[in-house]
Amino acid sequence: GQQLNQSPQSMFIQEGEDVSMNCTSSSIFNTWLWYKQDPGEGPVLLIALYKAGELTSNGRLTAQFGITRKDSFLNISASIPSDVGIYFCAGPGGGNQFYFGTGTSLTVIP
Amino acid sequence: NAGVTQTPKFQVLKTGQSMTLQCAQDMNHNSMYWYRQDPGMGLRLIYYSASEGTTDKGEVPNGYNVSRLNKREFSLRLESAAPSQTSVYFCASKVPRGWGGGYTFGSGTRLTVV
Repeated sequence: GQQLNQSPQSMFIQEGEDVSMNCTSSSIFNTWLWYKQDPGEGPVLLIALYKAGELTSNGRLTAQFGITRKDSFLNISASIPSDVGIYFCAGPGGGNQFYFGTGTSLTVIP
Repeated sequence: NAGVTQTPKFQVLKTGQSMTLQCAQDMNHNSMYWYRQDPGMGLRLIYYSASEGTTDKGEVPNGYNVSRLNKREFSLRLESAAPSQTSVYFCASKVPRGWGGGYTFGSGTRLTVV
């Protein structure tokens, strides 16, 4: 399957700090998705990107579609305790399916 | 509430036992998916159904079968469970791009095979 590499694998930050994470693929994508998974729950879509260079915000979250179309970035500003969770990127494969990255685990220390 | 419903939430099986994981969505989506999630591996596709009446293998289909019973329901069956199938299983349906795109996921089934 398609390899999506996320970095960092885990982050421990102080409440109020900004967060940045990224995702790279071995192929060009025409769509990038960012999901968040709370403990014990399924992933929930945060932001969808459909155009190279596109930057989209959702509250304190901002995601960008890299110019090469092989990467994407997610930033969280002024982190709060409820930002804790695992963040996944995803890109499209054949047959209406999406490939998922291995996730970035975020811990916010109050 | 609209969404994807999975049952059961937790299950413990003995090696060799069989079981079916149930999934239903009430959003009239065409495509449905089964993923498994293992530590450090992310989400890996087991099987998917692009539309009612069709099913296809994903990345890790061995040891599983699926049934798209109707547009709402997509079940995953383990015929002879093995410890390697200990995982968290997620069902998802595909959201049309005009409605936001991506998938809506269920809350998962946590399966332990002993």
